[in-house]
Amino acid sequence: DTGVSQDPRHKITKRGQNVTFRCDPISEHNRLYWYRQTLGQGPEFLTYFQNEAQLEKSRLLSDRFSAERPKGSFSTLEIQRTEQGDSAMYLCASSSAKLYEQYFGPGTRLTVT
Amino acid sequence: AQTVTQSQPEMSVQEAETVTLSCTYDTSESNYYLFWYKQPPSRQMILVIRQEAYKQQNATENRFSVNFQKAAKSFSLKISDSQLGDTAMYFCAFIASGAGSYQLTFGKGTKLSVIP
Repeated sequence: DTGVSQDPRHKITKRGQNVTFRCDPISEHNRLYWYRQTLGQGPEFLTYFQNEAQLEKSRLLSDRFSAERPKGSFSTLEIQRTEQGDSAMYLCASSSAKLYEQYFGPGTRLTVT
Repeated sequence: AQTVTQSQPEMSVQEAETVTLSCTYDTSESNYYLFWYKQPPSRQMILVIRQEAYKQQNATENRFSVNFQKAAKSFSLKISDSQLGDTAMYFCAFIASGAGSYQLTFGKGTKLSVIP
């Protein structure tokens, strides 16, 4: 068990570009979550998958954001036409079906210039 | 909607002393879970302790313990024998399990500094 991993750890992009982040959950966990954390704030929920099904989406997840978990294993989060307000830490977490505690990855820090 | 409030943006404690971080929450749900997470500088979020709302007994994990007051909707974290490695942001978080939701709602955090 190597924990939740995320790639890349840092991403700098220009406004208007598309970016994609990857999350690999703990292998036996069937639930996967995406959160966004801005400086000085707690993480805010974006979306959640159970296996390959996307079951919850926050109103924060605008049309420019899309997340997938095609085979119920890793997940990707894509942001299209990035804006400066998208600059944040994007956190991924996973949990098992039996327990509510979520385990977080190291995050991807996005900077939009 | 659930809300979590951490009223202490920053705190400090002397090494080996005890410190208590405050958290209050608001919910209409009767079934829920509460958590404290630790986020060291430039490092990932770590689960410190959890409490199920239906359990009256306060959770304890080594030097970390909680004071869960369900009627007051209060969930404070006590750190005993503070160590330099406890320096971090601490977030209180909530899941309304009774509502079938799995999203964590976080407070804004308390920055704890342990002073040698």
